Amino acid sequence: QVQLVESGGGVVQPGRSLRLSCAASGFTFNSYGMHWVRQAPGKGLEWVAVIWYDGTYKYYADSVKGRFTISRDNSKNTLYVQMNSLRAEDTAVYYCAGAALGSYAFDIWGQGTMVTVSS
Amino acid sequence: SYVLTQPPSVSVAPGKTARITCGGNNIGNKSVHWYQQKPGQAPVLVIYYDRDRPSGIPERFSGSNSGHTATLTISRVEAGDEADYYCQVWESSSDQGVFGGGTKLTVL
Repeated sequence: QVQLVESGGGVVQPGRSLRLSCAASGFTFNSYGMHWVRQAPGKGLEWVAVIWYDGTYKYYADSVKGRFTISRDNSKNTLYVQMNSLRAEDTAVYYCAGAALGSYAFDIWGQGTMVTVSS
Repeated sequence: SYVLTQPPSVSVAPGKTARITCGGNNIGNKSVHWYQQKPGQAPVLVIYYDRDRPSGIPERFSGSNSGHTATLTISRVEAGDEADYYCQVWESSSDQGVFGGGTKLTVL
């Protein structure tokens, strides 16, 4: 079945780094733009970053620009986000989400992975 | 940056119609997508491109978009519709996604 599974979350100190992964299965991964969306505890959804289906273009929210890097490996059907210089305000559940080619509607979501930035 | 404004909460009795609005400057010129999120779960797409329903979403869910307001309408509301609902657009001028603040739908 169509599935996205995130991993790599955990507790990290401010200023440190963390890399999240998102494994895709059950659909044509290289036909989907892939996004990261986060949700701080008790708060709403916040879009974080996108990478085009072939990796040619990447865009970021202002809040993470220069600190986060999105990437993908289509041979492994896996999406990544490298998060550097983490701050307390980056604490959130991080979801990966897929949007079919040419669309910006997120029709596939993972279950999320929790990232806590705390000393 | 583009801002989407939703009411924090909407309440409706079972069997009635719920309308959740999403305000934005000339939002009628953009494509709006809606998500349902129940506690402890990932969001689910319920309306895309203003008014289209993904397979598996009941016909009770519908959408419209014009002027400065997009609306998600849920007809014949059921207890299982109780959830947070988010609108979302793609802001092409900055190549960024934008979510509304979310609306908590309470079924009385």
